[in-house]
Amino acid sequence: AQSVTQLGSHVSVSEGALVLLRCNYSSSVPPYLFWYVQYPNQGLQLLLKYTSAATLVKGINGFEAEFKKSETSFHLTKPSAHMSDAAEYFCAVSEHNFNKFYFGSGTKLNVKP
Amino acid sequence: DTGVSQNPRHKITKRGQNVTFRCDPISEHNRLYWYRQTLGQGPEFLTYFQNEAQLEKSRLLSDRFSAERPKGSFSTLEIQRTEQGDSAMYLCASSLGMGGTEAFFGQGTRLTVV
Repeated sequence: AQSVTQLGSHVSVSEGALVLLRCNYSSSVPPYLFWYVQYPNQGLQLLLKYTSAATLVKGINGFEAEFKKSETSFHLTKPSAHMSDAAEYFCAVSEHNFNKFYFGSGTKLNVKP
Repeated sequence: DTGVSQNPRHKITKRGQNVTFRCDPISEHNRLYWYRQTLGQGPEFLTYFQNEAQLEKSRLLSDRFSAERPKGSFSTLEIQRTEQGDSAMYLCASSLGMGGTEAFFGQGTRLTVV
């Protein structure tokens, strides 16, 4: 079975500081990995995805994530936080048949001025 | 915009009533998923369709829940005899299936059972 663990339900950074949101996955087969962002009372928007190509994946809004098989991790980073980045972020994993996506419990990012 | 559309956006109902939600996926997507999200949690898988066939249902989907996707286009999710524990955001997503990877989500239907 697949599962996702997001360490830290709340992360607070200052505007301009590095953003690091952690995601570890459990999978019996090489997974596909995703990061989604959710604004209040909205659906989920895809930030980036890993599909077994390059291990460093660049996404929208300056975010990127690195797949590390040895650490079973897929942490999300952004060099410089903007106020508009304040939202909830979800890591997700899927098997190659995409029958379902397993989501972590989410990390709320707060950006302080 | 031809994204995933969900209606209604909000629904308040009394305990014991039946409710039905609709999802219109992206037109060329053959896979459609339903998820439930409660406060402070990530989305939990409920069920998915490949065209009109419902291929998998979660154990979360009790007998009071039923989903359909007639003709492989839009989908409905019905909850019968609603309970307060059914209060949640119900999210619909669609994907190309094996021809694609990520799921595209709608804005969700927030259900409040009073």
